[in-house]
Amino acid sequence: SQKIEQNSEALNIQEGKTATLTCNYTNYSPAYLQWYRQDPGRGPVFLLLIRENEKEKRKERLKVTFDTTLKQSLFHITASQPADSATYLCAPMTTDSWGKFQFGAGTQVVVTP
Amino acid sequence: DGGITQSPKYLFRKEGQNVTLSCEQNLNHDAMYWYRQDPGQGLRLIYYSQIVNDFQKGDIAEGYSVSREKKESFPLTVTSAQKNPTAFYLCASSIAFGQGSNTGELFFGEGSRLTVL
Repeated sequence: SQKIEQNSEALNIQEGKTATLTCNYTNYSPAYLQWYRQDPGRGPVFLLLIRENEKEKRKERLKVTFDTTLKQSLFHITASQPADSATYLCAPMTTDSWGKFQFGAGTQVVVTP
Repeated sequence: DGGITQSPKYLFRKEGQNVTLSCEQNLNHDAMYWYRQDPGQGLRLIYYSQIVNDFQKGDIAEGYSVSREKKESFPLTVTSAQKNPTAFYLCASSIAFGQGSNTGELFFGEGSRLTVL
């Protein structure tokens, strides 16, 4: 069955450093991969989408890579700030399963001053 | 402002009762979704609808029911058949696949937390 794995341990990082999160998937070949941010008690908010033919995507201090050979996406937050503290969810998507989006459990990031 | 409104934010239910969670969107989106989130787990899809008067079961539809009589509204009923309904419920919407260039971005509501007493 399809499986999405994100590191369940919280990532504690000092302000100004780069946080790197991993999203691994098995048993399917997504054409797209989305990343979301979720704050406690709130709904997730979309951050970025990367397509299978894009190796890297950037948005402000965020960078996402997508390696279809390794079946992995990396999510980087550069120059991290305490306001970046949240849980980050990945959602690999295939075009034939549109509407049935599946999410990883998320990785919590804690940025300390 | 455009967005998705879920209500109520908190809901308490006695065992054996059905409850209905409301989800309204004014984004003019065709597609709407219901997810369930439990601590330490990813979002799990309950039901989704890509067009009015049509909906499909997600991965954990048992014990839940939905309707899609209007484009703006997608209420979820948690029935007494749902054995473990205590959870955080999230409603989302998106434009339909293929409608121009889009990211497939899901717009989420603020969630409804259901507790069974």
